[in-house]
Amino acid sequence: ETGVTQTPRHLVMGMTNKKSLKCEQHLGHNAMYWYKQSAKKPLELMFVYNFKEQTENNSVPSRFSPECPNSSHLFLHLHTLQPEDSALYLCASSQEGSGPEQYFGPGTRLTVT
Amino acid sequence: GEDVEQSLFLSVREGDSSVINCTYTDSSSTYLYWYKQEPGAGLQLLTYIFSNMDMKQDQRLTVLLNKKDKHLSLRIADTQTGDSAIYFCAESPSNTDKLIFGTGTRLQVFP
Repeated sequence: ETGVTQTPRHLVMGMTNKKSLKCEQHLGHNAMYWYKQSAKKPLELMFVYNFKEQTENNSVPSRFSPECPNSSHLFLHLHTLQPEDSALYLCASSQEGSGPEQYFGPGTRLTVT
Repeated sequence: GEDVEQSLFLSVREGDSSVINCTYTDSSSTYLYWYKQEPGAGLQLLTYIFSNMDMKQDQRLTVLLNKKDKHLSLRIADTQTGDSAIYFCAESPSNTDKLIFGTGTRLQVFP
């Protein structure tokens, strides 16, 4: 257990659906991240939030919409996805100024049909 | 540019040492990391090394950093079947929150 939880663990959705991924960290950290892990590709950083403010949007399509209501929770809202968006979506958290470590959740395995 | 490269597969016999290699391109990286991912799980931080160090040892793990060649390695002594996983190298460019990951090396340990 890393102190970062993600729900759901698995999600299958059609291209016209709207769904949300949830991440919660119990570590008292102030930075949270969304990564995408596709087969045979390096992990791709999608979004970074520091102190609830978005500080990085790594050219992610607008069909992915992040939300960070407080420093413990992070959401990724999904809308009209494409089959190539099928991947493992990983959330991570860190404490800025207290060391370089990022702690990862177990991920949500997303399949777009 | 930012690029981290690793070989895709490594197969070792139980009890032998494993060496996983990584090359990176950003010489400004302050920290370099090794993460482990077991099937169906997220990434677990194994160890990291500060860029002004050339070696770090933590129980069965030894990290070597050659900053001149931008080469990082992870040695696992007395490799066990429970070490079978994907190992990711990552760099952290200075003054950023970003981690740049390699594609991962799948380590298979056979009896």
